[in-house]
Amino acid sequence: AQSVTQLDSHVSVSEGTPVLLRCNYSSSYSPSLFWYVQHPNKGLQLLLKYTSAATLVKGINGFEAEFKKSETSFHLTKPSAHMSDAAEYFCVTRGGYQKVTFGTGTKLQVIP
Amino acid sequence: DAGITQSPRHKVTETGTPVTLRCHQTENHRYMYWYRQDPGHGLRLIHYSYGVKDTDKGEVSDGYSVSRSKTEDFLLTLESATSSQTSVYFCAISEGGGRQRGANVLTFGAGSRLTVL
Repeated sequence: AQSVTQLDSHVSVSEGTPVLLRCNYSSSYSPSLFWYVQHPNKGLQLLLKYTSAATLVKGINGFEAEFKKSETSFHLTKPSAHMSDAAEYFCVTRGGYQKVTFGTGTKLQVIP
Repeated sequence: DAGITQSPRHKVTETGTPVTLRCHQTENHRYMYWYRQDPGHGLRLIHYSYGVKDTDKGEVSDGYSVSRSKTEDFLLTLESATSSQTSVYFCAISEGGGRQRGANVLTFGAGSRLTVL
């Protein structure tokens, strides 16, 4: 069985400071992992994906995530938060074509 | 949103009425999905399709039916809407299945907000 756990439901950072959104996964085999972002009243947009090619994955808008098998983690980071980063972020894992599992989401607040 | 159109984007209806939401794609992707998003529950899969006329249930399929008569359209029908079906509905598409690592990314539509009074 696959699952993802987003460890924080809300994260608040000041503009210009680093962002860390935490995700742990559980999978019986090497998973496909994704981070999506959802801005208010919008659909979900793919930020980045891990498909075993490289453990450090770079995404759009300066975000990156590192796959750590020993820690079963796939945390999302950004060196410097921007006001436009305020949104909800979802960690997602996928096995079979119907076995897509979403985390419960982390709402990122960026304080000016 | 990458060739996915959902309609209507907003709908208000009354309990007991039928409702159909449409998802239209221009990507020729094989897999299509309907999710609902509710506070505290994240996204939950309602139904999915792995080809024309090939559909299956997700985790919250009760009260919903789907049809896919051609590759580009995936319809979600609420036969008799209830207030518990008030939600935001998202359609998603995928070129490949989950084990096809190069083509298993889900691309989402902009969502359809349904209110059942």
